[in-house]
Amino acid sequence: GENVEQHPSTLSVQEGDSAVIKCTYSDSASNYFPWYKQELGKGPQLIIDIRSNVGEKKDQRIAVTLNKTAKHFSLHITETQPEDSAVYFCAAPQFDGNKLVFGAGTILRVKS
Amino acid sequence: DGGITQSPKYLFRKEGQNVTLSCEQNLNHDAMYWYRQDPGQGLRLIYYSQIVNDFQKGDIAEGYSVSREKKESFPLTVTSAQKNPTAFYLCASSMTGLGGNTIYFGEGSWLTVV
Repeated sequence: GENVEQHPSTLSVQEGDSAVIKCTYSDSASNYFPWYKQELGKGPQLIIDIRSNVGEKKDQRIAVTLNKTAKHFSLHITETQPEDSAVYFCAAPQFDGNKLVFGAGTILRVKS
Repeated sequence: DGGITQSPKYLFRKEGQNVTLSCEQNLNHDAMYWYRQDPGQGLRLIYYSQIVNDFQKGDIAEGYSVSREKKESFPLTVTSAQKNPTAFYLCASSMTGLGGNTIYFGEGSWLTVV
């Protein structure tokens, strides 16, 4: 089955700096890679996703890059703001089970 | 508004008691899921259902049971066999159960054993 590893587990940045979170996956058949943001006591919210027919996708201050050869994808947040502080999860599909496998999460703290 | 509604938000369970968490969606999604999240941990899949009247065990199904009698509803029962049930429970849904479909989450339910 799919195995998703996420790094780092915690990340502290100064307001205005960039933050990068990386994930690797094991199933070369995976073709869909979402990122979720979870605020304290709430359910995860999808913030961006990428499919394997593109290498990069941007949405304002958020971008995701995908390297299918190396089987890794990354979340990039530029000009970080205090409201970006949350837990971020990456995920990849496991096709034999028709389900998403999630990384362990990254706690992002943006210091003002 | 379309979305996923979980209830109750907070629930307390006594030792040896079964409790049921409700999950309803009005997104017309075929697939529904239950995840468990422990403090500071990731998401672990308990059960999932790709279609009405069918469901499969996830990675940590022991001590839990589900039913899927209606497309919009996927209740989770935490039985007395679950020895460490205190956690944050998340219900989710997707258009289909096939890989590559976006999963949407509810706001979660906190279960505490007293």
